[in-house]
Amino acid sequence: AQSVTQLGSHVSVSEGALVLLRCNYSSSVPPYLFWYVQYPNQGLQLLLKYTTGATLVKGINGFEAEFKKSETSFHLTKPSAHMSDAAEYFCAVTSGGGADGLTFGKGTHLIIQP
Amino acid sequence: DAGVIQSPRHEVTEMGQEVTLRCKPISGHNSLFWYRQTMMRGLELLIYFNNNVPIDDSGMPEDRFSAKMPNASFSTLKIQPSEPRDSAVYFCASRGGTSGTLREQFFGPGTRLTVL
Repeated sequence: AQSVTQLGSHVSVSEGALVLLRCNYSSSVPPYLFWYVQYPNQGLQLLLKYTTGATLVKGINGFEAEFKKSETSFHLTKPSAHMSDAAEYFCAVTSGGGADGLTFGKGTHLIIQP
Repeated sequence: DAGVIQSPRHEVTEMGQEVTLRCKPISGHNSLFWYRQTMMRGLELLIYFNNNVPIDDSGMPEDRFSAKMPNASFSTLKIQPSEPRDSAVYFCASRGGTSGTLREQFFGPGTRLTVL
């Protein structure tokens, strides 16, 4: 069974400050990991994904994440927050083999203070 | 490409009524997923199809829920009879494959269901 834990249901940062959203996963097989963003009343948009290879993954809108197997983590970062980054962020995992669905974390609501 | 298309975008119905949600996946994608999003439980996988065949329906809450995929370009999620606790946003997602970069799921805009 797989699971995802996102620490902090709400994170507030000042505009221009570092964004750090935490994600830890549990998986019995090598995981594929994803970060999705959801703006109000919209669907989910993929920010970035880790499948195999380089553990530091760069995504859209200046976000990046690092897969750390020893820590079972996949934290999302952005060096400088922008007001437009305010949204709900979801970390998700799927197993490396087979065509299965995503297991999502509970989500983190990112608030950007002016 | 138009992306994943869901209809209706909003549905308000009364308890006991039948509800049918529709999804058109991205052309060429061979996997389709139905998810439900609620405040209490977050995003949950309900069921998914590969090549129009249901693979895992263990997330379907109960027998009142059923899903079909009669062809590669259309899927339905039906609730009969509906109950207030079914109120949620239902998302459909599709995927082009299972290897490497094809593992990304593309989500539709969702259907917001309210059962009174």
